Amino acid sequence: GAGVSQTPSNKVTEKGKYVELRCDPISGHTALYWYRQSLGQGPEFLIYFQGTGAADDSGLPNDRFFAVRPEGSVSTLKIQRTERGDSAVYLCASSPTKGETQYFGPGTRLLVL
Amino acid sequence: GQQLNQSPQSMFIQEGEDVSMNCTSSSIFNTWLWYKQEPGEGPVLLIALYKAGELTSNGRLTAQFGITRKDSFLNISASIPSDVGIYFCAGIGGTSYGKLTFGQGTILTVHP
Repeated sequence: GAGVSQTPSNKVTEKGKYVELRCDPISGHTALYWYRQSLGQGPEFLIYFQGTGAADDSGLPNDRFFAVRPEGSVSTLKIQRTERGDSAVYLCASSPTKGETQYFGPGTRLLVL
Repeated sequence: GQQLNQSPQSMFIQEGEDVSMNCTSSSIFNTWLWYKQEPGEGPVLLIALYKAGELTSNGRLTAQFGITRKDSFLNISASIPSDVGIYFCAGIGGTSYGKLTFGQGTILTVHP
């Protein structure tokens, strides 16, 4: 069956621009997570959705970052006024429900020039 | 953000050797997980541990959940070239509902 998919796989943008990163979770998974992985580091939690609502957004670094999941399936991570420090791999994961095994997508590699 | 302390940072071994890596935390975790990540991919779950003292195997991999709930180790026996990758420990604590806290990773290189 299909796993978690993320688009685009790579994104290059200029400082100050707006970007959107998309995550398609495994069908039927109600929990969806976003993580950010900087070079040489482990993933760091950003936000978690249970259904349509953000259950925990404590990992979002500042108000330039925002994520939505309007229909409880696909999620979009939005970054405004990008900065060079936002360059990283953005990983999405989903699980059947909260607390169960998380299945990760391949990530979107974001480079801010 | 908080990360677990994982060691060693990297390992270079010969095929057939055993490997051991560990993870420690200043906080208690209720679940310990070990993931493997290959280039261009997301992490893939190898082993999950749910109880203090638990010892679990998955083929050549063995992992343990420390008694204090603040540490875990992963052993790989008789390594093979396809074991190459980055291994991460991750913990779930308190009421975080599955929010994972990751270690910095151990880069494993296996020479044939």
